[in-house]
Amino acid sequence: DTAVSQTPKYLVTQMGNDKSIKCEQNLGHDTMYWYKQDSKKFLKIMFSYNNKELIINETVPNRFSPKSPDKAHLNLHINSLELGDSAVYFCASSPPGTSLGEQFFGPGTRLTVL
Amino acid sequence: SQKIEQNSEALNIQEGKTATLTCNYTNYSPAYLQWYRQDPGRGPVFLLLIRENEKEKRKERLKVTFDTTLKQSLFHITASQPADSATYLCALDDAGGSYIPTFGRGTSLIVHP
Repeated sequence: DTAVSQTPKYLVTQMGNDKSIKCEQNLGHDTMYWYKQDSKKFLKIMFSYNNKELIINETVPNRFSPKSPDKAHLNLHINSLELGDSAVYFCASSPPGTSLGEQFFGPGTRLTVL
Repeated sequence: SQKIEQNSEALNIQEGKTATLTCNYTNYSPAYLQWYRQDPGRGPVFLLLIRENEKEKRKERLKVTFDTTLKQSLFHITASQPADSATYLCALDDAGGSYIPTFGRGTSLIVHP
């Protein structure tokens, strides 16, 4: 059983397009995240949601909009894609409570903007 | 500024030896530190967490130490195997209350048969 799943695995698109990445977790976790891993392999937090409420929004352009229809899903919508958005995007979740922060990651979505 | 530093050069070792990876940090006062493994094309996988009041943690062939005075964590894999080859990331929180980890860049480990 897949714990954290993302679709699609690969996404190739033209500059200026709008695209979405979907994420679902079946672990019963309350907190979900989006991370971006760039070509230099730095993994940076973008957003964090706790029980469908946004709790962290790092310095991310407002072209990026997360949406959480329920606590098992956190989708990422990106408007007006730019070349610099090319990266691997990871969804993650963590168990209830704030004392641990152990992250369970999805397989990633490799976004290529042409 | 805050920094998490891991050796950017790959660590090459022979099978059976102990691999030791280093994570140094500056301008953090973490409540904990975590280690993750990442294989190519996959998401990171959580391995171990050590709290600020713990000196050492073990799990099977893995051992992590945490020295808050030196601001350093060491990650050891004993009796290394080629299957241990991967990138290992350290992550720590900033004790600011969010408990969301900030990741280092990772060190690539290559275990030769």
